[in-house]
Amino acid sequence: EEQLVESGGGLVKPGESLRLSCAASGFIFSHFNMNWVRQAPGKGLEWVSSINSNSDYISYADSLKGRFTISRDNAKSSLSLQMDSLRAEDTGVYYCVRDRGYYYGLDVWGHGTTVTVSS
Amino acid sequence: DIQMTQSPSSLSASVGDRVTIACRASQDIRKDLGWYQHKPGEAPKRLIYAASTLQSAVPSRFSGSGSGTEFTLTISSLQPEDFATYYCLQQSTYPYTFGQGTKLEIK
Repeated sequence: EEQLVESGGGLVKPGESLRLSCAASGFIFSHFNMNWVRQAPGKGLEWVSSINSNSDYISYADSLKGRFTISRDNAKSSLSLQMDSLRAEDTGVYYCVRDRGYYYGLDVWGHGTTVTVSS
Repeated sequence: DIQMTQSPSSLSASVGDRVTIACRASQDIRKDLGWYQHKPGEAPKRLIYAASTLQSAVPSRFSGSGSGTEFTLTISSLQPEDFATYYCLQQSTYPYTFGQGTKLEIK
């Protein structure tokens, strides 16, 4: 079964850092682009970042203003999101999502990990 | 950035009803659009990709249409398990952008 499992969420104070991880299984991780998508409480889904299969193309949502860094380790079938200078508006559920490209789209989603930024 | 305008934002309907949700893109995105169903506490589930192709194992009461800037998701006969929030997503150009969502509620 193709599966994505996120971890690393938690409660942090404004200005602190957090690193999210996503473990992939059931498919050849190195063949696929990967994404992070988030949902703030009571809000809709928001795309956060994408990384292509060999890490030479990365894109971020404009709203992040350089505070987040996506990375991957194909040998370990893992995806990461380093989040620095966290703000209250970064609170939400963060999903790891497999990307099959502009035509086939985002097809496999993890169940998410919750990040809470509060003093 | 491409803006995705989804309507309506909420919809009240009964089991057996036919419902349609619309998404408009601010520029041509060909057919690079997917539709997702999201229930509280669960992972979003893809229903449609490439604007009109049904994801495997998704019931045939779901259908998608459109290309360019105008897209629709139709549920032909609502079932109790269909009450959820639905999103469109454009993947034509970075940054990817979602519609604002349509919350489908039981009348």
